Amino acid sequence: DGGITQSPKYLFRKEGQNVTLSCEQNLNHDAMYWYRQDPGQGLRLIYYSQIVNDFQKGDIAEGYSVSREKKESFPLTVTSAQKNPTAFYLCASSIDSGGGPKNIQYFGAGTRLSVL
Amino acid sequence: AQSVTQPDIHITVSEGASLELRCNYSYGATPYLFWYVQSPGQGLQLLLKYFSGDTLVQGIKGFEAEFKRSQSSFNLRKPSVHWSDAAEYFCAVGGGYGGATNKLIFGTGTLLAVQP
Repeated sequence: DGGITQSPKYLFRKEGQNVTLSCEQNLNHDAMYWYRQDPGQGLRLIYYSQIVNDFQKGDIAEGYSVSREKKESFPLTVTSAQKNPTAFYLCASSIDSGGGPKNIQYFGAGTRLSVL
Repeated sequence: AQSVTQPDIHITVSEGASLELRCNYSYGATPYLFWYVQSPGQGLQLLLKYFSGDTLVQGIKGFEAEFKRSQSSFNLRKPSVHWSDAAEYFCAVGGGYGGATNKLIFGTGTLLAVQP
């Protein structure tokens, strides 16, 4: 089955630690996205990538980093500079980044990150 | 500024009753509009989308939505709610063709509870 796989489902971070969230898609989509979800705030865009080896900051990129070395993979690192990392993180992908129907975004099941 | 407003944070309806969830948007270009549904601890599932043409769009699970440009609204409706519809619903707006951005802007969500 084609889809988006996020792992792990639950993740715990210690103070001062960097952690990496995995996102893999087998939909052959060019564009991928990372969102952060907090209660009552909807989804906020962290980073997005329109094509391999390229990515742009979203609205809340501070304290996060990404890479896009392969089309199917878009890992997110939550660095120690992110002082409030506890949230639900969602990865999404779309056929490409152009306007219109090709920008329908499909989501993974999410990773819940908590601070110990 | 581009934004999406879902004025109802929480709604409770009885099973079998009709449902309308409100969504208002502010967007400078021709908008593409989406409704997503999220079950607890899960990712987002696309319910329906509007790109152009008929302003009444049908989606999955018996949902429909009507685009009203004059009111900048895209309200979600269902004639008879089932207990399994209990979830959080998100409205989102994105750029149309020629838009400068591929980013989606999400509302803060409406949590739907269904009474037996």
